Amino acid sequence: GQQVMQIPQYQHVQEGEDFTTYCNSSTTLSNIQWYKQRPGGHPVFLIQLVKSGEVKKQKRLTFQFGEAKKNSSLHITATQTTDVGTYFCAGRRISGTYKYIFGTGTRLKVLA
Amino acid sequence: NAGVTQTPKFRVLKTGQSMTLLCAQDMNHEYMYWYRQDPGMGLRLIHYSVGEGTTAKGEVPDGYNVSRLKKQNFLLGLESAAPSQTSVYFCASLPHTSSYNEQFFGPGTRLTVL
Repeated sequence: GQQVMQIPQYQHVQEGEDFTTYCNSSTTLSNIQWYKQRPGGHPVFLIQLVKSGEVKKQKRLTFQFGEAKKNSSLHITATQTTDVGTYFCAGRRISGTYKYIFGTGTRLKVLA
Repeated sequence: NAGVTQTPKFRVLKTGQSMTLLCAQDMNHEYMYWYRQDPGMGLRLIHYSVGEGTTAKGEVPDGYNVSRLKKQNFLLGLESAAPSQTSVYFCASLPHTSSYNEQFFGPGTRLTVL
């Protein structure tokens, strides 16, 4: 079945350092979404990428969708303590069903 | 708008007991999902529904049943709970649009099966 892997599983950074998480799918995706989950909370939608090679920015966050639509990345510039949480990607296959497969997540800790 | 709500927030069951988790959304969304979240495994899709009266299996459907009798409600049932079903359960809903597909998540139900 379709698998979506994320690396790294954990990342500890000093405040002000950059952070990147990578998402890789075994199959071509229709689109990919990114979510953030704060400790003890629920996933909250960040962004959706649809086009091959698409790049979107949200303040210090940069999201990329690979040319083959099988991989994606989230890069945070100059991390802050408010960035703490687990970041998940979620991919939808091209088949047309509104079924998303979530990556395993990357837990980010920011040390002040 | 309350968004997506889940009932109960916490529950402890004994092996073999049954229970139903309720998810309700007031956004008139067509699609609804049940996920379970276990440490190191992300969110795994249990069952989902693309509309009132319809349900479909996700990645890990065994041991669970669902029903979508009303558009706003999606119920997840455990007929005979097992310790392996100890998890945090999240419900999510999605509007029926062709472009923007933000999933809205409920606050979660923490279930422990002893």
